[in-house]
Amino acid sequence: GQSLEQPSEVTAVEGAIVQINCTYQTSGFYGLSWYQQHDGGAPTFLSYNALDGLEETGRFSSFLSRSDSYGYLLLQELQMKDSASYFCAVRDQGGSYIPTFGRGTSLIVHP
Amino acid sequence: NAGVTQTPKFQVLKTGQSMTLQCAQDMNHNSMYWYRQDPGMGLRLIYYSASEGTTDKGEVPNGYNVSRLNKREFSLRLESAAPSQTSVYFCASSPPDSGNTIYFGEGSWLTVV
Repeated sequence: GQSLEQPSEVTAVEGAIVQINCTYQTSGFYGLSWYQQHDGGAPTFLSYNALDGLEETGRFSSFLSRSDSYGYLLLQELQMKDSASYFCAVRDQGGSYIPTFGRGTSLIVHP
Repeated sequence: NAGVTQTPKFQVLKTGQSMTLQCAQDMNHNSMYWYRQDPGMGLRLIYYSASEGTTDKGEVPNGYNVSRLNKREFSLRLESAAPSQTSVYFCASSPPDSGNTIYFGEGSWLTVV
């Protein structure tokens, strides 16, 4: 089985930097990914880490430490439009690709 | 760019009624999924299909059936709807060797009264 833990809610102000953590327990590991979901919308892919280290994509970065079973999503220069839910996900060890999602972190950005 | 298309977007059912949620993807993906999303519960996998002709249960399959009609289409059926099945349903697909990248449809809001 697999389990993922992430905070339920994070608040920050515009222009700030925020980090959303994710810890996981899996029988096998094939990478950690992050998805963003605005209210009423569909989840959309943000980033993927298969190896340790930092991946940067514009204002968003994602980090992975496989030895610590831990990763985080870093959002810089926060904007109001970044208010959304963020989900981490890991891939099942099985032969098919089956992502398991965390319960999500609601990010609230204040002016 | 259609991507993953699911219908209907909104539906109200009475307890005991049946219905089918339709899903189609035009990206030639092998794998398709049905998730349900409830407040505070994240996305939970109902069923998935690794390829045309195969389907497997996910975390919460009870009360649902699926059909992988062809490579493009993957439908979800509620045979006898229950209030506990009130949820938002997402269909998704992924290509082989995509890492963890999957593509979601816009969701179907289902209310069972």
